[in-house]
Amino acid sequence: ELKVEQNPLFLSMQEGKNYTIYCNYSTTSDRLYWYRQDPGKSLESLFVLLSNGAVKQEGRLMASLDTKARLSTLHITAAVHDLSATYFCAGSGTYKYIFGTGTRLKVLA
Amino acid sequence: NAGVTQTPKFQVLKTGQSMTLQCAQDMNHEYMSWYRQDPGMGLRLIHYSVGAGITDQGEVPNGYNVSRSTTEDFPLRLLSAAPSQTSVYFCASSYDGSRKKLFFGSGTQLSVL
Repeated sequence: ELKVEQNPLFLSMQEGKNYTIYCNYSTTSDRLYWYRQDPGKSLESLFVLLSNGAVKQEGRLMASLDTKARLSTLHITAAVHDLSATYFCAGSGTYKYIFGTGTRLKVLA
Repeated sequence: NAGVTQTPKFQVLKTGQSMTLQCAQDMNHEYMSWYRQDPGMGLRLIHYSVGAGITDQGEVPNGYNVSRSTTEDFPLRLLSAAPSQTSVYFCASSYDGSRKKLFFGSGTQLSVL
């Protein structure tokens, strides 16, 4: 059964700094997804990673996937306040999407 | 383009009451699902459906019932509400089972007293 773990759970960082959120999963996953959730809002898709070595970038966010290590990372470059949100990774298989617990990111000016 | 529409946005129930959370999508997605979000626990899958007439259980199905009579609609029923069901509920759909990204509704905040 697929299990997904994220760390850290909370991340407070200063503007301009770099940091990485880690997502480990327990068994083979068809895809690896990253979502963003603003406070009180719904989830919005950021990235879909399909295969080993996949890397996707959008602005200051870059996601990568290592299927052999069962690890995905979300790297934040030169953080800005607008990136403050909760970030979720999710794996999928057999018609089920399984989410991690989320990383609450707060970027301080 | 409405996407995934959930109603109501907020609901307060008394223990033992029943209710139905509505979810509709206009994207012709075969796959639809319900999640609950609790602090520190991420999103947990309640039930899902891969098409009209086909439903299955997720991680936390107890106390919830679903049906899928049309492609567009996937209601979630609470049979006898309990305080442990206080949560934020999200409906989500995707084009191709678990191989495409999910589109989420705006959520229903449910309190059971």
